Amino acid sequence: KAGVTQTPRYLIKTRGQQVTLSCSPISGHRSVSWYQQTPGQGLQFLFEYFSETQRNKGNFPGRFSGRQFSNSRSEMNVSTLELGDSALYLCASSSGSVGIRGYTFGSGTRLTVV
Amino acid sequence: AQTVTQSQPEMSVQEAETVTLSCTYDTSESDYYLFWYKQPPSRQMILVIRQEAYKQQNATENRFSVNFQKAAKSFSLKISDSQLGDAAMYFCAYRSADSGNTPLVFGKGTRLSVIA
Repeated sequence: KAGVTQTPRYLIKTRGQQVTLSCSPISGHRSVSWYQQTPGQGLQFLFEYFSETQRNKGNFPGRFSGRQFSNSRSEMNVSTLELGDSALYLCASSSGSVGIRGYTFGSGTRLTVV
Repeated sequence: AQTVTQSQPEMSVQEAETVTLSCTYDTSESDYYLFWYKQPPSRQMILVIRQEAYKQQNATENRFSVNFQKAAKSFSLKISDSQLGDAAMYFCAYRSADSGNTPLVFGKGTRLSVIA
């Protein structure tokens, strides 16, 4: 069974640009969550999608957005990149609507903004 | 809002010895789930063990076990017979059991080193 796949693995962007990250969940998983991981702030929740609907959103500016497709694949977009957006972005999927069995994470996308 | 605290930024253990990582959390809820995740240098977060708050019995997965003290809001992870491959960041996480689909809340993590 394939795991959670995130692409690309690494990304370097310039301030002011926009970026799109992709996440393919485990087959059959309908819930996809996104987290930002930085050394200073740790893991912070961005948003969660279930069956193409955003169910929850973290405390991030509107420059951060996402969506989920009918095949459960998800994308997140960051517009007008800032240096502080440099981070590891992790995607996680779960089978149930409440994720009580835990989440399966991908290996993340390392975004560097210069 | 729920918070998770890991008071040990770094820990080390000799190979084959036992180490305990601490985690406390703050919540007013009675039904929730607790998790320990491992993040090796490969960056992928791996679920180590999970505990359901309404179960009094402590969860165990091979060399990994937890000490869940609900009244004290404590959820420590014990690693027995430590191996070099256990070296990683360990994160404690909390999730409400409500149907409002609240997200995982993570602690800041503990970096575990294993000394050969």
